[in-house]
Amino acid sequence: DQQVKQNSPSLSVQEGRISILNCDYTNSMFDYFLWYKKYPAEGPTFLISISSIKDKNEDGRFTVFLNKSAKHLSLHIVPSQPGDSAVYFCAARPLAGANNLFFGTGTRLTVIP
Amino acid sequence: NAGVTQTPKFQVLKTGQSMTLQCAQDMNHNSMYWYRQDPGMGLRLIYYSASEGTTDKGEVPNGYNVSRLNKREFSLRLESAAPSQTSVYFCASSETGLDIQYFGAGTRLSVL
Repeated sequence: DQQVKQNSPSLSVQEGRISILNCDYTNSMFDYFLWYKKYPAEGPTFLISISSIKDKNEDGRFTVFLNKSAKHLSLHIVPSQPGDSAVYFCAARPLAGANNLFFGTGTRLTVIP
Repeated sequence: NAGVTQTPKFQVLKTGQSMTLQCAQDMNHNSMYWYRQDPGMGLRLIYYSASEGTTDKGEVPNGYNVSRLNKREFSLRLESAAPSQTSVYFCASSETGLDIQYFGAGTRLSVL
């Protein structure tokens, strides 16, 4: 049973516009959330994270929002650039069992020049 | 700075054959992980090693064994490969279980 869900397999956005990638989770014990970015033939690389005690975390063009009551988080990329084209994975970690990281199925973002 | 190195990058096996996937990290991390990625499933944890000398099962451990050879190296063994083990395998490491995980480039395995 998928505990972290990314319901949009793909997203296309014009260069310069905002990209919004969504993620839902079912386990209320998750307390830390991460976004990873993956290019073809490479491993995932860490992008940004957020603790459950916050509702927003910003790093340059990337902002992650967390809505605990809705069990929903989103990644905003502003402005989007062609180099952002990649697969983005949402991941979540439970309060107990720190080594367990649960990943979503990924969203392929294409930024059109 | 190599980070996490996985070998081989590609492998084709016949059903019933055995093989070991190798992983090494040069970041002096305590924790290491093996994941598999299948279409429509995301990454799933197979086994992890919280520290040298310890290993624990993850979400999908059946059909696999692991060895934490030393602090740097963590290998994944398929004793009798099955077509269901066709997947892309990723190794990762982190300072501790609470820290960011860094991934290798993956091993693409096909079992015929």
